Amino acid sequence: GAVVSQHPSRVICKSGTSVKIECRSLDFQATTMFWYRQFPKQSLMLMATSNEGSKATYEQGVEKDKFLINHASLTLSTLTVTSAHPEDSSFYICSAAQGAISGANVLTFGAGSRLTVL
Amino acid sequence: QQQVKQSPQSLIVQKGGISIINCAYENTAFDYFPWYQQFPGKGPALLIAIRPDVSEKKEGRFTISFNKSAKQFSLHIMDSQPGDSATYFCAVSYSGNTPLVFGKGTRLSVIA
Repeated sequence: GAVVSQHPSRVICKSGTSVKIECRSLDFQATTMFWYRQFPKQSLMLMATSNEGSKATYEQGVEKDKFLINHASLTLSTLTVTSAHPEDSSFYICSAAQGAISGANVLTFGAGSRLTVL
Repeated sequence: QQQVKQSPQSLIVQKGGISIINCAYENTAFDYFPWYQQFPGKGPALLIAIRPDVSEKKEGRFTISFNKSAKQFSLHIMDSQPGDSATYFCAVSYSGNTPLVFGKGTRLSVIA
C-alpha cells in the first residue's frame, strides 16, 4: 500500500530557531500534499496545500512567512517552521494524495512530527 | 463554521459491544466520506470510506452507514475489542485534489 514517510518524528528546538520537517511519498508520486497541525486532544486542522512546482496555498490564519512549504519534487514536500516560538509546539502531519478513486482522493498520512519549542 | 459535526466526543464500550459514532455535514457538494483511526502519537490511518452513491459499506467489523437526505453518516464497530481503543475522526472532501476536513474526533475506550 501507499506509504508516506515523515521525518523527524520528534524535534525539540530553542525559541527563535528554524525547524524543517520532511514528507516523502515512498512508492507513489504525489502532485499534491497537505500539511495539517494537531494540538493535544484536538482535531487535525489544515494548514496548507502543497503543489509540486508551484507555491503553496495557505489556509486563513496560517502565516506563510512563518510556515514555509516547498514541494520541489513529486515525492517530497518540506515544511519549515521559521523563528519558532513555544506556541508553535504541536503535532505536524503531512498527507499525500494517491490519486483519484471514483473522483475523490485517498489521502495517506505520515506518522507525524512532534515539535516542542523551548 | 464547522463543516462536519461529530458525536459523541468520547465513548466507552464493553468488549464485544457495538461502537457507534456519528457525523453530520452541511455542504451537499461533499462526495467522499472517510473514517480515520488515530492512536496516540501516530498519524491517522484510513479505516473505511464511502461515496454518496451507496448507503452502506462494510469491511470486516467496520460499517459505514450513509444517509444522503439527512446529510449524516456513521461508523459502526461490531464486536468492539480493546485494541480498537483510539480516536476516530470522520472527514469530508470534494472531488479531485482537495483536502479532507475533519470532525473533532471521538475518543473510544473499549473495556474488558
